[in-house]
Amino acid sequence: NAGVTQTPKFRVLKTGQSMTLLCAQDMNHEYMYWYRQDPGMGLRLIHYSVGEGTTAKGEVPDGYNVSRLKKQNFLLGLESAAPSQTSVYFCASSLQRAGDSPLHFGNGTRLTVT
Amino acid sequence: RKEVEQDPGPFNVPEGATVAFNCTYSNSASQSFFWYRQDCRKEPKLLMSVYSSGNEDGRFTAQLNRASQYISLLIRDSKLSDSATYLCVVLSGNTGKLIFGQGTTLQVKP
Repeated sequence: NAGVTQTPKFRVLKTGQSMTLLCAQDMNHEYMYWYRQDPGMGLRLIHYSVGEGTTAKGEVPDGYNVSRLKKQNFLLGLESAAPSQTSVYFCASSLQRAGDSPLHFGNGTRLTVT
Repeated sequence: RKEVEQDPGPFNVPEGATVAFNCTYSNSASQSFFWYRQDCRKEPKLLMSVYSSGNEDGRFTAQLNRASQYISLLIRDSKLSDSATYLCVVLSGNTGKLIFGQGTTLQVKP
């Protein structure tokens, strides 16, 4: 029972490089989210999706793009990485909108930008 | 001012102790409240929802005080396995999004 799977688990990028973080869920959830977690701060919402083919901006969307071409996958892209994007990234999904059903998180991706 | 604030701790307590965490929220229109648990270098997981009447799940009790705009989590008979960071989460009345506190770290010592 996989739940929410994120790849990769770790990555080091140089400033200006690009990458895509992959998130897959097998629970048939409509809602998917990307958060970042930084020391001394709560998780902050980057982008989210309320269903296949939809995306929306969260609290800190600048420098990131997302796509939800299939219901089970939610991709987070960094077009030109910056040191300020060094963080732990969590993908999450929920059956109903946030607050009406629990968030199920992936294991996280630790990204370092040098 | 942050919309959700927690004392980051750490709270260091001996096994068997009772410990309580508070979390304050600034938006009186906030609708739903939760406690998530996050183990070191792991993902957050829902611990419990917080209801207006208060609720209990085994050794854990959650309370909501709307007048003073805070929620609390009480852990009785602490176990070593309770060592974790506890995240206060509030459904914002403005945005309809979940707002996470920075977390309170609990360390239970033998």
